[in-house]
Amino acid sequence: ELKVEQNPLFLSMQEGKNYTIYCNYSTTSDRLYWYRQDPGKSLESLFVLLSNGAVKQEGRLMASLDTKARLSTLHITAAVHDLSATYFCAADSNAGKSTFGDGTTLTVKP
Amino acid sequence: DTGVSQDPRHKITKRGQNVTFRCDPISEHNRLYWYRQTLGQGPEFLTYFQNEAQLEKSRLLSDRFSAERPKGSFSTLEIQRTEQGDSAMYLCASSSWGDYGYTFGSGTRLTVV
Repeated sequence: ELKVEQNPLFLSMQEGKNYTIYCNYSTTSDRLYWYRQDPGKSLESLFVLLSNGAVKQEGRLMASLDTKARLSTLHITAAVHDLSATYFCAADSNAGKSTFGDGTTLTVKP
Repeated sequence: DTGVSQDPRHKITKRGQNVTFRCDPISEHNRLYWYRQTLGQGPEFLTYFQNEAQLEKSRLLSDRFSAERPKGSFSTLEIQRTEQGDSAMYLCASSSWGDYGYTFGSGTRLTVV
């Protein structure tokens, strides 16, 4: 059974600082996703990572995938308040069914 | 196309009542998924359809839960004899075969009192 673990679960950062969120998954997976969720809202797709060594960047967020280590990272560069949200990673087991981590709640303080 | 639509947005019901939620996926998407999310947790898979066929159901989906997708378009999720433990956000998502990733709807928040 595929399991996905994220750490940290809670992250408080100062604006302008850098940090990395880690996502480990337990068995081989075809795809790795990162989503953002604002309080009371649904999930917004950020990145889809398909192959070993894949790296994608959008603004201050950069995601990478190491399939051999079964590890994905979401790196935040020079954090700003607007990035405050909960970030989920998810891995596909089969037929596109995703298993999600418990999320990392990010708070960016001035 | 306005994306994935879910109705209602919020539902408060008394324990023991039946509730039904509706999801309208993106029109060209042939796959439709239901997830449940409780506070502080990631979404948990419930079931998925390819066109009108329900291809997989989670062990989480007890006999009180049933989902349909007639004609491969919209889908409904019914919960019978609701319990307080059913209180959660119910999320619908859709995709096309070969797509990378889902589009999620805004969810239906169920509160059982």
